[in-house]
Amino acid sequence: QVQLVQSGAEVKKPGASVKVSCKASGYTFTSYYMHWVRQAPGQGLEWMGIINPSGGDTTYAQKFQGRVTMTRDTSTSTVYMEVSSLRSEDTAVYYCARLDWGLAGSFDYWGQGTLVTVSS
Amino acid sequence: QSALTQPASVSGSPGQSITISCTGTSSDVGAYNYVSWYQQHPGKAPKLMIYDVTKRPSGVSNRFSGSKSGNTASLTISGLQAEDEADYYCTSYTSSSTWVFGGGTKLTVL
Repeated sequence: QVQLVQSGAEVKKPGASVKVSCKASGYTFTSYYMHWVRQAPGQGLEWMGIINPSGGDTTYAQKFQGRVTMTRDTSTSTVYMEVSSLRSEDTAVYYCARLDWGLAGSFDYWGQGTLVTVSS
Repeated sequence: QSALTQPASVSGSPGQSITISCTGTSSDVGAYNYVSWYQQHPGKAPKLMIYDVTKRPSGVSNRFSGSKSGNTASLTISGLQAEDEADYYCTSYTSSSTWVFGGGTKLTVL
């Protein structure tokens, strides 16, 4: 069965960086793109970007360009999302979600979420 | 890219039907059938409920249906049940090869 397992909660100071991982299993890792989505406390979902695990190419939401980096490790079927220059507004739950073009570009499987807290 | 527009809240009694709208532009909702809907219960990850505007994934109740007209997509839930109380989000692919979410709608079952 498809599973996306994310790394644990993080607490960071303003200005620091955080790197969240998402380990995939139960399917061919390089056959499906992976999204990253975040949700601030009490707020809605916000699309951050997407990575192609096969070639490593990425597309980021304009808001996050220059501050977010998505990478992958095909040997461990893991994707990573790093946010730099953290500020309090980056406090959120970060999700990875698999893109299925066979389901018209929908996000068919989600990780459990990783809470990142930015506080001095 | 601006978020798609959804009503902040809707409500209905058990057994009734409700509809949640999702308004975008000719560069996203109006341009593609890559519109999907997600249900999110508190503290949980979102769950795919509708994809390709109208299709249901395996295991999703046929009480959930989707449609689209122009730049507005809609999610209808018929025969409301207590377990349907949740937040609902639409999303669409865009002409910039990105995705955009709606602001979310809180459904209350009275």
